[in-house]
Amino acid sequence: GAVVSQHPSRVICKSGTSVKIECRSLDFQATTMFWYRQFPKQSLMLMATSNEGSKATYEQGVEKDKFLINHASLTLSTLTVTSAHPEDSSFYICSARTGQGKETQYFGPGTRLLVL
Amino acid sequence: GNSVTQMEGPVTLSEEAFLTINCTYTATGYPSLFWYVQYPGEGLQLLLKATKADDKGSNKGFEATYRKETTSFHLEKGSVQVSDSAVYFCALRSGNAGNMLTFGGGTRLMVKP
Repeated sequence: GAVVSQHPSRVICKSGTSVKIECRSLDFQATTMFWYRQFPKQSLMLMATSNEGSKATYEQGVEKDKFLINHASLTLSTLTVTSAHPEDSSFYICSARTGQGKETQYFGPGTRLLVL
Repeated sequence: GNSVTQMEGPVTLSEEAFLTINCTYTATGYPSLFWYVQYPGEGLQLLLKATKADDKGSNKGFEATYRKETTSFHLEKGSVQVSDSAVYFCALRSGNAGNMLTFGGGTRLMVKP
């Protein structure tokens, strides 16, 4: 099946720094990409949806200036956590699909962020 | 709006035991239903899916049947293995919600040898 990769898989940073997480679709063109956040022992919370070449659509309660999303190409989306704080520590998972309809959605392996 | 409810875990079983993880949903229209599995430290993998009523999705010995009359999509496996230990998420996707996935809370399965 289709493969979605994320980099880095794990990152530790100091409070106040910014962290960029990359999400790539390796063998298909991802028209739509999703970013989720998962707290320990909880389900996935959709943060935002992005379509290539356009601005991301953020879910209610997600700060767009805090979590910057760039979907610059059909194979790459980035999530930047700006001025990270300990409460931003979480598991971030990206997902991608080829269209805006009923295509299968593929998930990346996740990035664990720890802010000290 | 759409919602998915799963039985809370953890579910602890001995190897070769029978597994059932209940999942019920609320949705308008005719959603597609999914089970995803998340192994420790990893992202989600699609386990199986069903796109219409009475469809049965199956994969790796797991199966689930789309029951519209009971709005359920229970996951079953006849004989679990230690390697099945993971978190299982039930999800639905509906065109009425922009084809976005709605996830249940997840159920942790622990299989002991």
